Parts: sequence; C-alpha cells; structure tokens
Amino acid sequence: DTAVSQTPKYLVTQMGNDKSIKCEQNLGHDTMYWYKQDSKKFLKIMFSYNNKELIINETVPNRFSPKSPDKAHLNLHINSLELGDSAVYFCASSRDRVSPQHFGDGTRLSIL
Amino acid sequence: AQTVTQSQPEMSVQEAETVTLSCTYDTSENNYYLFWYKQPPSRQMILVIRQEAYKQQNATENRFSVNFQKAAKSFSLKISDSQLGDTAMYFCAFMKYGGADGLTFGKGTHLIIQP
Repeated sequence: DTAVSQTPKYLVTQMGNDKSIKCEQNLGHDTMYWYKQDSKKFLKIMFSYNNKELIINETVPNRFSPKSPDKAHLNLHINSLELGDSAVYFCASSRDRVSPQHFGDGTRLSIL
Repeated sequence: AQTVTQSQPEMSVQEAETVTLSCTYDTSENNYYLFWYKQPPSRQMILVIRQEAYKQQNATENRFSVNFQKAAKSFSLKISDSQLGDTAMYFCAFMKYGGADGLTFGKGTHLIIQP
C-alpha cells in the first residue's frame, strides 16, 4: 500500500484554469506538507498542516489554497494557473512536526 | 532564516568507489535536525539519513554515513561501495527543532555512478 499518494501524477492544463491536486496518507500521521520543486530541481515548502490546522504558510500567491478535510488528506487547489506554476508538487507527511517526512511521488503540473 | 548550500552541482564516480557529498548550512539555532534525501530519476524523494544536532555521534545507515561538524556547520554524506542504483539527485535539508518552518533544502548534487 502506498503510504503517501498524490493524484494525479501528471496534470497538463491551459493558463487561467483552476485545478486541484489531492494528497492522502495512510500512515496515521498528524502533519502534512506541500512542497514545490521548480525546473532547476529546487524544493521549497509551501504549506504545512498539523491536525488539520495550518501552521506554515510560506509566501506563495493566494491563488494557492490548501484544504485539509481531515487529518489524512491535504489537497492543493490552484486558481487562475500561470506559466510560472509549472513545477513538480510534492505532498509529504510526518508523525509529528519533528519526525522525518515521507514524500508522495509528486505531481508534475505543466501549463500550456 | 536558514540556508543550506551544496557546492557540488554534479559528481561522477566509478562503481564501488567511495564518494563524499558536501553540505554546509547557516543557522542561529542550537537545536535542529539535518537530513539527506535521495531523488532518483523516478522522482521519488527517499530519506537516506537523519542527524539530530544534539547528538555528537555521526549517523550511519548501511553504506551511508555522515560527517557532522556542528561548529563548522558542515554535514557531508559519504557513500561507500557505490552502486549503479545510487545514481540520483541528493538533497541536504535542515529543519529547526519543533519543525516550525518545515524542511529547508539545498540545491542538490547530481551523483552519477559509472559502471
């Protein structure tokens, strides 16, 4: 069973569209994260939730909105997609805020 | 804010050789965690090794070991008896105690193991 699963794995869409990426973890972890990996492979944290509560909200455009319906899910919704949003987005989870993070396989978002 | 620097964008070694990847970081924190993550071409992010800053003993995981020098703010990764499957991007990462800021990553080192 996949511990941290993201859907879809690939997402190709037009500029201006709204899209969502889903993330689910079956590890019973309390903390979940979203990271963005740009075309140069640089990884940067975007958001973190602990027990459904937002604890990290880095400087990202407010077009990006995370939603945590329960502890096992942290979805990422993106409005009005722009060319610069093209990247690989990784979801991760950890037992708590100091334990090692387990990553999903990433979602490659391509904006045409 | 923390910064993590990996000064080797790419390295190439022969299979079975030992290779060391360098990482330095800058922080005013006294308690923190350091990690090495591996990202093979499959894109997965795989935890290789973890070090708590309060522990003086260097962490080891099979063929992987670290040289943690807290005063110098250095955290290098040594891979012994390198294998073709070790070919990947390797990222050094820092996390403050309490995890308040999540992981701060370096820019990565692309390691190529030649047959």
